Amino acid sequence: DADVTQTPRNRITKTGKRIMLECSQTKGHDRMYWYRQDPGLGLQLIYYSFDVKDINKGEISDGYSVSRQAQAKFSLSLESAIPNQTALYFCATSDTRTGLVGELFFGEGSRLTVL
Amino acid sequence: KNQVEQSPQSLIILEGKNCTLQCNYTVSPFSNLRWYKQDTGRGPVSLTIMTFSENTKSNGRYTATLDADTKQSSLHITASQLSDSASYICVVSGMNYGGSQGNLIFGKGTKLSVKP
Repeated sequence: DADVTQTPRNRITKTGKRIMLECSQTKGHDRMYWYRQDPGLGLQLIYYSFDVKDINKGEISDGYSVSRQAQAKFSLSLESAIPNQTALYFCATSDTRTGLVGELFFGEGSRLTVL
Repeated sequence: KNQVEQSPQSLIILEGKNCTLQCNYTVSPFSNLRWYKQDTGRGPVSLTIMTFSENTKSNGRYTATLDADTKQSSLHITASQLSDSASYICVVSGMNYGGSQGNLIFGKGTKLSVKP
């Protein structure tokens, strides 16, 4: 089983619908992240969480919200999806106990299409 | 502004050939630099990390170099295989003034295609 699991893997929805992408991890890491990837633009940070009580906006948080339900769970919501939110979304984790050399561990991605 | 620039954007090589991917950054103060490999439709996976004091590090057929003075890194792939076809992403970590790891700055990646 994957250490970082994202659901759903693929989702097609319509403009205006509410969408939730879920992420769970079994690595025991404290930090969790949501990234968006568009062709030619690389990975952009949406939100990140250093622990359950600490949520921070990333570069492109407008139109998104998150919830850290537990150390192992971090969900991303689109309250009213729009077509330009069509993208590949990645959840990632890292462990601050590794100090300056923290590595990101990514999930398999959730492909979202908004019609 | 902290930036990471990768070149080339894309590269096509024949199986068995070598290639070198470039990463230039302006992130300061610098903490470390990682190279990730991302297979199509999958999440990125770390290949190697370079800290300030390291010049060269190898991971199998992958060799990363770092020149902290010129703020350049390269990833050299030796004897390429079809499975090397992927995007390679350079990620630079800055350092907070307290000494802890700061923001991660992502390059846009180099898409490598290895043809038989």
